[in-house]
Amino acid sequence: GIQVEQSPPDLILQEGANSTLRCNFSDSVNNLQWFHQNPWGQLINLFYIPSGTKQNGRLSATTVATERYSLLYISSSQTTDSGVYFCAVGKSGTASKLTFGTGTRLQVTL
Amino acid sequence: NAGVTQTPKFQVLKTGQSMTLQCAQDMNHEYMSWYRQDPGMGLRLIHYSVGAGITDQGEVPNGYNVSRSTTEDFPLRLLSAAPSQTSVYFCASRGVGADYGYTFGSGTRLTVV
Repeated sequence: GIQVEQSPPDLILQEGANSTLRCNFSDSVNNLQWFHQNPWGQLINLFYIPSGTKQNGRLSATTVATERYSLLYISSSQTTDSGVYFCAVGKSGTASKLTFGTGTRLQVTL
Repeated sequence: NAGVTQTPKFQVLKTGQSMTLQCAQDMNHEYMSWYRQDPGMGLRLIHYSVGAGITDQGEVPNGYNVSRSTTEDFPLRLLSAAPSQTSVYFCASRGVGADYGYTFGSGTRLTVV
């Protein structure tokens, strides 16, 4: 199956700082999503981005499918950004089968 | 608009007991999935369904059964609970179309003693 690696595993930021989270995957995919799991355990879909670049407020994501990686950018971080960020991928014909990485745990401090 | 509703939120079982985790969505989504989340391992797919009457196995299906008799409901059954099934279980759904965004339920924290 597809391998998904995320880096860094842990990240501590001061409020207002910027960060870049990386997701590498081992095979071609046609589905890539970023999720945020808040400290209460809720999973929120941030981006569906199998290729290209998207932005939503302070968050943006870029996927370079030919090089098998995706980046999630967080600008001007806030304490509410704390939690775990997961990258998940799926292959063509398996739209319901996402493979998750082990996540990046982000802590934003005052 | 409730989204994806999971019940119960917490459950403690004794080894060997059986139970059903409920999942319901009100968005008329075709695709539904069950994942388990263990510390340090991300989420792993247990079973999934691409529509009513159609189910298939994911990465870690052993010890679990599913059925999909309606579009709205996708229950997960633990046949004979084992301590290795202690985990947080998430149900997810998504519709068919250009936006492949998944909606997750709030999870069920299961402890098997």
